[in-house]
Amino acid sequence: DVKVTQSSRYLVKRTGEKVFLECVQDMDHENMFWYRQDPGLGLRLIYFSYDVKMKEKGDIPEGYSVSREKKERFSLILESASTNQTSMYLCASSFPGQGANGYTFGSGTRLTVV
Amino acid sequence: GDSVTQMEGPVTLSEEAFLTINCTYTATGYPSLFWYVQYPGEGLQLLLKATKADDKGSNKGFEATYRKETTSFHLEKGSVQVSDSAVYFCALSYSNYQLIWGAGTKLIIKP
Repeated sequence: DVKVTQSSRYLVKRTGEKVFLECVQDMDHENMFWYRQDPGLGLRLIYFSYDVKMKEKGDIPEGYSVSREKKERFSLILESASTNQTSMYLCASSFPGQGANGYTFGSGTRLTVV
Repeated sequence: GDSVTQMEGPVTLSEEAFLTINCTYTATGYPSLFWYVQYPGEGLQLLLKATKADDKGSNKGFEATYRKETTSFHLEKGSVQVSDSAVYFCALSYSNYQLIWGAGTKLIIKP
């Protein structure tokens, strides 16, 4: 069964901490994405990557960075966590040009910053 | 720019009721259209899709038809179950990197 795995389901971090959210896929997908999901705002794209070491900003990249050192792993980094980054974070992957087939999502990480 | 608009929720129905969740889109070209479902505490799963006008996507009793003339992709099910309670997202894509998402519609089914 193909999978996108996010390392944590729930995280609680303190304001100012550096936070790493990890995502691993086993489908050899080139494209990987990080979204955040907030009530009433739907899904908002933070960053995406279409190849190893490549990244593109999404709609809301401020306060975040990403790392893609290996094809299967895409990390989201909160350099200095703030309370307004409390949210559900979703990772997804796809083959290039596979927009017509959609994405495969992980189960999400619910991050609380206190 | 391109966008997707869904009906606001929550939508609350009794078991075995008929379901419609409205989705309309604005697009400059001819996108593919999708419905995703998110069960409580889970990520999103692809429910169904349609890649061209007049196509009908179907899965698990759900259906949606790609209507170019009305720019719509409404989700329907003839008889809902409690297990259908979830958040439903409509989205469009041009086969490039990104999906453009609606805001999601929460569906609550009461026994």
